[in-house]
Amino acid sequence: NAGVTQTPKFQVLKTGQSMTLQCAQDMNHEYMSWYRQDPGMGLRLIHYSVGAGITDQGEVPNGYNVSRSTTEDFPLRLLSAAPSQTSVYFCASSPGLAEQYNEQFFGPGTRLTVL
Amino acid sequence: GDSVTQMEGPVTLSEEAFLTINCTYTATGYPSLFWYVQYPGEGLQLLLKATKADDKGSNKGFEATYRKETTSFHLEKGSVQVSDSAVYFCALKWKGSARQLTFGSGTQLTVLP
Repeated sequence: NAGVTQTPKFQVLKTGQSMTLQCAQDMNHEYMSWYRQDPGMGLRLIHYSVGAGITDQGEVPNGYNVSRSTTEDFPLRLLSAAPSQTSVYFCASSPGLAEQYNEQFFGPGTRLTVL
Repeated sequence: GDSVTQMEGPVTLSEEAFLTINCTYTATGYPSLFWYVQYPGEGLQLLLKATKADDKGSNKGFEATYRKETTSFHLEKGSVQVSDSAVYFCALKWKGSARQLTFGSGTQLTVLP
């Protein structure tokens, strides 16, 4: 049981390039989400999904796309990278939304630098 | 909207010192409250949680009590260790909410031997 995995661990992009950050979980969790972590700002929700085929925007969705074709995978796509997207990105999952599923499980993160 | 405010860091303590990291929240109602910990180079891990007023969450010697009268959830530990050096995040979640966690800005703790 690998939990939540993310690839790559590090990435450097040039302004305007596109790329996809991969996230997978093997716990059969319904809920998955993407956060970005910036100094002094904690984690901010980018997009989330409550199940395969269902996604919605979080607090800072601009410049990012997501899709959820399977329960296991939830990739985050940067359409045209900008320096403001330099950040550490975390994927998280939880079994569902009910109160007993309070805990989210986080991946190790992807550190992205946009030049 | 909802928000979580944590004490400014970084915090530097000597081993065996007492730790308090303050956390207050602004929300209409009574959300669930959490402390997450992030060790260097890793993702976040749930440290403890409380789901209703006066609940006390505890784990690994850390404690926090849900105080609705002061809208606070301060993290405490009686004797810190070098291995407790990490970033600590306070967070809230509305029961059944699809938008999940709202995080504070994080507090960097360094414990010196």
